[in-house]
Amino acid sequence: EVQLLESGGGLVQPGGSLRLSCAASGFTFSNYAMNWVRQAPGKGLEWVSTISGSAGITYYADSVKGRFTISRDNSKNTFYLQMNSLRAEDTAVYYCAKDRGITGKKYYFDYWGQGTLVSVSS
Amino acid sequence: DIQMTQSPSSLSASVGDRVSITCRASQSISSYLNWYQQKPGKAPKLLIYVVSSLQSGVPSRFSGSGFGTDFTLTISSLQPEDFATYYCQQTYSTPSFGQGTKLEIK
Repeated sequence: EVQLLESGGGLVQPGGSLRLSCAASGFTFSNYAMNWVRQAPGKGLEWVSTISGSAGITYYADSVKGRFTISRDNSKNTFYLQMNSLRAEDTAVYYCAKDRGITGKKYYFDYWGQGTLVSVSS
Repeated sequence: DIQMTQSPSSLSASVGDRVSITCRASQSISSYLNWYQQKPGKAPKLLIYVVSSLQSGVPSRFSGSGFGTDFTLTISSLQPEDFATYYCQQTYSTPSFGQGTKLEIK
């Protein structure tokens, strides 16, 4: 059974940093790209970032480029989102999602975690 | 970036109704179009991928169609558990979602 478990969310001040983790199980982790998607309170889904199975390819939404860094450790079946220079508009539930493909394009997100809330406020 | 526009943004319907939600891409995305269902307080769930392929376990009353820039999600006979928000997603390039369609009980 595929399981994705996010952790690391919380309350942080504007300009601060936070690192989210997503621990995966139930599939061969290195064979799939992984994604972060966020949802601001009462709003729709926003894709944030993708990392390929080998970690050689990464993509970012323009809204987070230069501030967020996605990475993965295939030996630990875990991937991460390092979030720096956080802003109020980054407040959202952050979901990790497994990609059906290995490169991060042309497929779909077939499994999702339960989400972790990030609140950016002074 | 490819923009995805769903219509309507909200929809009221009754159990047993047939409903359709449309999704339009700002440029051709071939068949790289997926649909997700989200219920309040829950993570999104994949319903349909590559326009018309049903994810395992999804009831056959859900169907998808389209190609290029215009796509449709159809629910043939609404059930109580179908009242939720639906999102389309393109993965032709870096992913993007539509703004969502909230399906409510009339």
